[in-house]
Amino acid sequence: DTAVSQTPKYLVTQMGNDKSIKCEQNLGHDTMYWYKQDSKKFLKIMFSYNNKELIINETVPNRFSPKSPDKAHLNLHINSLELGDSAVYFCASSNQGEQYFGPGTRLTVT
Amino acid sequence: DAKTTQPTSMDCAEGRAANLPCNHSTISGNEYVYWYRQIHSQGPQYIIHGLKNNETNEMASLIITEDRKSSTLILPHATLRDTAVYYCIVRVWETSGSRLTFGEGTQLTVNP
Repeated sequence: DTAVSQTPKYLVTQMGNDKSIKCEQNLGHDTMYWYKQDSKKFLKIMFSYNNKELIINETVPNRFSPKSPDKAHLNLHINSLELGDSAVYFCASSNQGEQYFGPGTRLTVT
Repeated sequence: DAKTTQPTSMDCAEGRAANLPCNHSTISGNEYVYWYRQIHSQGPQYIIHGLKNNETNEMASLIITEDRKSSTLILPHATLRDTAVYYCIVRVWETSGSRLTFGEGTQLTVNP
């Protein structure tokens, strides 16, 4: 059973397009996160939701909009994609303490 | 969150213990030491965490010095599958969830 799943695994799209990445967790956790790992391999937090409420919103362009329809899901919608958005995006979830990460979505903007 | 310092890379022979150091000299009294690893192209994986006592689980052992300014992650019998980037992270325990601030980590290469 997959604990934290993301779709799609790979996403190739052109500049200016709008795309969404979906995340689901079946761990019963209250908190979910989006992290971005760039080409230099640095992992950085983007957003965090607790019980569908936004609690962390890092300095991320407002082209990025997270949406949490329920506790088990946290989706990431990106408008007007730019070349610099190319990265691997990881979803994670936790209750307290340790976080469990999904397999990542590799986004390539051409 | 306190800053951590780790060596950029380390090598270990298969079957031997891998000892990964981490310095966190500015750690606060309420901050925990967490270890995660990221195997190539996969999501980070939680390994272990501790506050001040040494900890052990099925994956690894965590040794924290008495002054809490440094710690060592020990993989007792490293295998090729343990080749990964290991991240030492120091952060406060929060009930509503908090960010993990990842540094550059240590690239551990386990050699046959």
